[in-house]
Amino acid sequence: KNQVEQSPQSLIILEGKNCTLQCNYTVSPFSNLRWYKQDTGRGPVSLTIMTFSENTKSNGRYTATLDADTKQSSLHITASQLSDSASYICVVSVGGSYIPTFGRGTSLIVHP
Amino acid sequence: ETGVTQTPRHLVMGMTNKKSLKCEQHLGHNAMYWYKQSAKKPLELMFVYNFKEQTENNSVPSRFSPECPNSSHLFLHLHTLQPEDSALYLCASSQNPTAGADQETQYFGPGTRLLVL
Repeated sequence: KNQVEQSPQSLIILEGKNCTLQCNYTVSPFSNLRWYKQDTGRGPVSLTIMTFSENTKSNGRYTATLDADTKQSSLHITASQLSDSASYICVVSVGGSYIPTFGRGTSLIVHP
Repeated sequence: ETGVTQTPRHLVMGMTNKKSLKCEQHLGHNAMYWYKQSAKKPLELMFVYNFKEQTENNSVPSRFSPECPNSSHLFLHLHTLQPEDSALYLCASSQNPTAGADQETQYFGPGTRLLVL
């Protein structure tokens, strides 16, 4: 069964600090992995997408990594801001399928 | 804003009511999706429409009935729902699913928060 596990479930950090969110997956055949940011009351917004051959992708202060051998991904947020408070969702797509596999998300709260 | 709008944003209904959720995308996309997001659970894909044709029904109960009159509009008709159907219902769209459904980036609307009493 395809699964995506994210950790931690929730995280509280101080403004300006860095943090790293984790995603482990068992999805086959693997096509790509996306990180989404979902603000409260909003729909998810795509941050990064990585295919099998890519091991890092950046989007401003967000950097995602992918280790296809261990089936792990991480999302690193640098110099956090209050606006980074959101849920971060890891999504893995199966080759040729419309139905991606979603993680439960990590809820991040950034305090001033 | 992502160019995908949903109405209403909030809805409270009884189990015997009939209501409809509406989604409209202004991005010129050809595929539209309905998702269910329950508390503490991953997003669940419900339906996929490509060029107005339904291509996926992810084992959704018949009390949810989708309708896609054109590539820009998507409806979800609700009838005789259960309290466990209370959730955030998200609509999304993507450009060209025939190019490879798994390659497409989906653009989500803000969702409709549904409460079934």
